[in-house]
Amino acid sequence: AQTVTQSQPEMSVQEAETVTLSCTYDTSESDYYLFWYKQPPSRQMILVIRQEAYKQQNATENRFSVNFQKAAKSFSLKISDSQLGDAAMYFCAYRDQETSGSRLTFGEGTQLTVNP
Amino acid sequence: GAVVSQHPSRVICKSGTSVKIECRSLDFQATTMFWYRQFPKQSLMLMATSNEGSKATYEQGVEKDKFLINHASLTLSTLTVTSAHPEDSSFYICSASRGPSSYEQYFGPGTRLTVT
Repeated sequence: AQTVTQSQPEMSVQEAETVTLSCTYDTSESDYYLFWYKQPPSRQMILVIRQEAYKQQNATENRFSVNFQKAAKSFSLKISDSQLGDAAMYFCAYRDQETSGSRLTFGEGTQLTVNP
Repeated sequence: GAVVSQHPSRVICKSGTSVKIECRSLDFQATTMFWYRQFPKQSLMLMATSNEGSKATYEQGVEKDKFLINHASLTLSTLTVTSAHPEDSSFYICSASRGPSSYEQYFGPGTRLTVT
């Protein structure tokens, strides 16, 4: 079974600084998707960024970028120029490429605090 | 596009009663819907996967007779908590996918259930 591990329960960063959230996963599959979701105090899950395993290029979305290391099964999220609105719980998630189910496996989450 | 709604957003019910939570995809057809449960400061735990027109697939440890899931149309899935008890109090989140080959899940805003 696939597992996703986030080893940092809490992280903090100063406004305008850069922070990196860690995520490792375990799978025997070669094709899959990885995601970072943000859950602010409203509890609404928001997709931040996704990475297809077959792509070597790291995904980027504005201030958010990932460092995808397939051999090491590592998928970290870098937030640049942190803003107060980035404060939230961040979840790393994995999904098989298989066509049946499309279920997500989530990590335990990292609570990010942004200090003014 | 890809908006998912949940109703109600909050519900309080007495122990022993049943409560129904609705999940709707507002602007797309959702072949597959997922139901999650989330305790405070914890990750999302998948309860079941439902495909339109067929029986839901429950995760290990989830009582199918207690958590009834119906996915009668391509835009609506319901979760009924039967004979609710205080330990069923939690935050319930649904998500919807356009189909098994779709990589993305669209999340509803969640429902907070309190059983007194």
